[in-house]
Amino acid sequence: GQQLNQSPQSMFIQEGEDVSMNCTSSSIFNTWLWYKQDPGEGPVLLIALYKAGELTSNGRLTAQFGITRKDSFLNISASIPSDVGIYFCVLFMDSNYQLIWGAGTKLIIKP
Amino acid sequence: DTAVSQTPKYLVTQMGNDKSIKCEQNLGHDTMYWYKQDSKKFLKIMFSYNNKELIINETVPNRFSPKSPDKAHLNLHINSLELGDSAVYFCASSQEALREVNRGKLFFGSGTQLSVL
Repeated sequence: GQQLNQSPQSMFIQEGEDVSMNCTSSSIFNTWLWYKQDPGEGPVLLIALYKAGELTSNGRLTAQFGITRKDSFLNISASIPSDVGIYFCVLFMDSNYQLIWGAGTKLIIKP
Repeated sequence: DTAVSQTPKYLVTQMGNDKSIKCEQNLGHDTMYWYKQDSKKFLKIMFSYNNKELIINETVPNRFSPKSPDKAHLNLHINSLELGDSAVYFCASSQEALREVNRGKLFFGSGTQLSVL
């Protein structure tokens, strides 16, 4: 089956630091998505990437769809307390319209 | 107004009971979903449903059944609850079945935390 590896599993950072997380897949995909889940809430779509090499920003967030179509990264600049949560990378399978969810990266900001 | 709302937020029940979780979306979407999130936060699709087809994840026990009275609602009914059913269940919706420009764009409810004792 398809393999999707997301790292790191968790991150402990100071407020104001930049954050970087990434995902790699065992196969080529045409759509990469990044979702964020706040504590006690459902996931919310942050960024959708539909083209290899595409670099997209959403405020302090920047995500890129790798040129090989087998990886993606998400960067958060100048982290703030409300950035805490779990970030999921998600793949869309063109063959059956299903989503494959990564295991998530838990972001914790040290007081 | 909440786009995707599900009730209850918390559900505590005894093993063997039957329970339902309700979900409503006011986005005018055609497709709705149920996801299960385990204690390690891994999200797993259970069902996707629109007015044309129900797609069931084959690993979901048949004690779980989705019921859709209309396009805006997809309820989850669970029979004979087991300890392993304890998890957070999320309802979601999308415009059409994630095809074309909408591919991947899901809108989630805030979850129902089910605890089976």
